Amino acid sequence: EAQVTQNPRYLITVTGKKLTVTCSQNMNHEYMSWYRQDPGLGLRQIYYSMNVEVTDKGDVPEGYKVSRKEKRNFPLILESPSPNQTSLYFCASSLFWASPMETQYFGPGTRLLVL
Amino acid sequence: GQQVMQIPQYQHVQEGEDFTTYCNSSTTLSNIQWYKQRPGGHPVFLIQLVKSGEVKKQKRLTFQFGEAKKNSSLHITATQTTDVGTYFCAGIKNYGQNFVFGPGTRLSVLP
Repeated sequence: EAQVTQNPRYLITVTGKKLTVTCSQNMNHEYMSWYRQDPGLGLRQIYYSMNVEVTDKGDVPEGYKVSRKEKRNFPLILESPSPNQTSLYFCASSLFWASPMETQYFGPGTRLLVL
Repeated sequence: GQQVMQIPQYQHVQEGEDFTTYCNSSTTLSNIQWYKQRPGGHPVFLIQLVKSGEVKKQKRLTFQFGEAKKNSSLHITATQTTDVGTYFCAGIKNYGQNFVFGPGTRLSVLP
């Protein structure tokens, strides 16, 4: 089944404790992206990747890191989480980046609480 | 930076009534996509509009892209309880590479 998977789905952590949220897609998609969703703000793009080893900042990259060593995986790293990073995180992928853009397929989401 | 706004923020309708949400960008968009997110779920792609003035229909849903490619609308005819959710528009600025989502319109449908 074609899908985007994220792990963990729920995470409670404390300020300053490094964490990684994994994202994997099995559709051979080139473009992958991370979003955070907060009430009243919709989805805001954190980082995106157009292909392996190619990543770039979205609108809210501060406090986050990403890597794209393999086409299928795009982990989101919080080196030193803070309470303002408490949010619902979505990973998404699409076949490739172009204009017009391809459909984005979203993962199920990761709900993060930073105490 | 680029902003994409949506109105209304919330809409409560009686089942059978029509519903419209509007999306406005501060800059010209190369294309716009619409997504639906059910409560507790993830965004699901509905449609993409590319051409100025484009109109597309999906059963009871009608999507429009403005002539200036800075605004868009989603209209649902005769809403059903299955239409409940939050509808987001998302655009890419011309020559850009990152998506900008609107804040969404949350639709409630009363049976």
